[in-house]
Amino acid sequence: KNQVEQSPQSLIILEGKNCTLQCNYTVSPFSNLRWYKQDTGRGPVSLTIMTFSENTKSNGRYTATLDADTKQSSLHITASQLSDSASYICVVRSNQAGTALIFGKGTTLSVSS
Amino acid sequence: DVKVTQSSRYLVKRTGEKVFLECVQDMDHENMFWYRQDPGLGLRLIYFSYDVKMKEKGDIPEGYSVSREKKERFSLILESASTNQTSMYLCASSLAGGMREQYFGPGTRLTVT
Repeated sequence: KNQVEQSPQSLIILEGKNCTLQCNYTVSPFSNLRWYKQDTGRGPVSLTIMTFSENTKSNGRYTATLDADTKQSSLHITASQLSDSASYICVVRSNQAGTALIFGKGTTLSVSS
Repeated sequence: DVKVTQSSRYLVKRTGEKVFLECVQDMDHENMFWYRQDPGLGLRLIYFSYDVKMKEKGDIPEGYSVSREKKERFSLILESASTNQTSMYLCASSLAGGMREQYFGPGTRLTVT
């Protein structure tokens, strides 16, 4: 069964610290993986997309990694800011015809001062 | 910038009422989607549409219907609202193609009493 598991479920860190969010998936055949950021009361916004051949991709202080062999991805946030407080959602697309996106349940990050 | 708008941010309806949630996108996207988002369950796909007057069931279509009469507008209909349909409803749109990012609206928080 196609599944996307994210950990931790929630995380609290101090402003300025780094953190890493994990995403493990069992989706096959794999097409791509996106990380979305969802601020409270808003819709998700894409941070980055990873394809099979990509290992690392950065978007400012956000760096996503992908290990297609172990089917794991991580999102690393550097020098966290209060505005990073949000839910981060990992979404995987399969190449299988008729398969929609498979969403993880998200990690809620709280950055405190 | 892509803009996806939803008709209401907050909505309160009574059990048994017929409810219409409207979504409009301004970027000529072929694909449109309706999701619901619940704590601990993440985003779940209700219905999607790849073209005008075309619709496909998602993972949880029971109790819902949709309408897409124009390319830019996708409506979600709750034929007879029930309390278990209290949720955050998110609309999204994208260009055709597997790599395309989905752009989300701000969401409608629906409460059924």
